[in-house]
Amino acid sequence: NAGVTQTPKFQVLKTGQSMTLQCAQDMNHNSMYWYRQDPGMGLRLIYYSASEGTTDKGEVPNGYNVSRLNKREFSLRLESAAPSQTSVYFCASRVGGAGELFFGEGSRLTVL
Amino acid sequence: GNSVTQMEGPVTLSEEAFLTINCTYTATGYPSLFWYVQYPGEGLQLLLKATKADDKGSNKGFEATYRKETTSFHLEKGSVQVSDSAVYFCALFKTGANNLFFGTGTRLTVIP
Repeated sequence: NAGVTQTPKFQVLKTGQSMTLQCAQDMNHNSMYWYRQDPGMGLRLIYYSASEGTTDKGEVPNGYNVSRLNKREFSLRLESAAPSQTSVYFCASRVGGAGELFFGEGSRLTVL
Repeated sequence: GNSVTQMEGPVTLSEEAFLTINCTYTATGYPSLFWYVQYPGEGLQLLLKATKADDKGSNKGFEATYRKETTSFHLEKGSVQVSDSAVYFCALFKTGANNLFFGTGTRLTVIP
């Protein structure tokens, strides 16, 4: 029962470096999401993909890019990391409609 | 717009105490409402949900009733345990928005 798998779980970057967070789900879900979680701010949506081949901006997309590689995989890329991007990142998926979101365990990113 | 406001924490209770975490929402129409729980070091997982007015969601001794007249979905548990220590998020799903809107989270600590 893998569910939603994110890698890496921890990463430390220097300002200006780039990296990609990987996410894969094995539940055949249509929709996938990337959130960031910051203290006192709850979860904020960065990007989402309603279905394979489509992506849309969420609440806080600046500084990020995404790729919906296939139905299973949805990656998040930081092209030039900034300290403001220090956060915990969560990938999630759902089948569609009003179905519940299934979350990965999170990726803790620190940008120095 | 769509938003969720939940009671600020942190909340500290003794084991077997009664728990209420308030949640109110702003949305047009008839959103679906959720409570998610995040245990330390883990992703969020669905605790309970309600999809229409007067519905009561329940799970693991937790309950919440969808009250349209007061736009509320308060989380309650009659007798908390140490293992209930976690962060609780209220969330709203509006058909057509393709996204869940989360509150800022309430941290609960239960002491023996």
